[in-house]
Amino acid sequence: SQQGEEDPQALSIQEGENATMNCSYKTSINNLQWYRQNSGRGLVHLILIRSNEREKHSGRLRVTLDTSKKSSSLLITASRAADTASYFCATDAAGANSKLTFGKGITLSVRP
Amino acid sequence: GAVVSQHPSRVICKSGTSVKIECRSLDFQATTMFWYRQFPKKSLMLMATSNEGSKATYEQGVEKDKFLINHASLTLSTLTVTSAHPEDSSFYICSASPRDRAWYEQYFGPGTRLTVT
Repeated sequence: SQQGEEDPQALSIQEGENATMNCSYKTSINNLQWYRQNSGRGLVHLILIRSNEREKHSGRLRVTLDTSKKSSSLLITASRAADTASYFCATDAAGANSKLTFGKGITLSVRP
Repeated sequence: GAVVSQHPSRVICKSGTSVKIECRSLDFQATTMFWYRQFPKKSLMLMATSNEGSKATYEQGVEKDKFLINHASLTLSTLTVTSAHPEDSSFYICSASPRDRAWYEQYFGPGTRLTVT
């Protein structure tokens, strides 16, 4: 089963607007992480939220986790053109082997 | 801190040849390194997990004789694609987990674009 599916798959917004991206997963998790990937580059870790946490902040980023709905959201406030990238959620499934399972990613375009 | 490099960043090779990709943790020691493959506009798929000094653990469907992984030191892991075919063309990304951190705290390399002609 697909673990970690983000929506929308693509999002285009104007600079200054907020961007909200969602991730759903199917099995219980220990933690969930969000990563950013610029085109043709590696992944940059943004934030980790543990299964017993509901919300975390880091700068302009706000992540929520709802384990009852098996979903997470990433909010980027006051977006900038430099935020243009693909965003992935990755889950560490409870009871599974030590591996991260990535979602398909969301392509965010921030228009200047 | 926590920088991971990959070399080469891009490589073009002919069908049937082998190509080696290096993954280095530059400022930390990594007990565990991971190799991922990413198709265009797709997610990352874990290929294998390598622990320093031991054999790599391959994910289901990944041919261990085709994708040779060596993790000879705490700062270097290599992936060798043997007898490459055009379908092996992809973006390969490694990650490394510092030895004093949990395995899920992974730092990613910039990736290697492999094109097999």
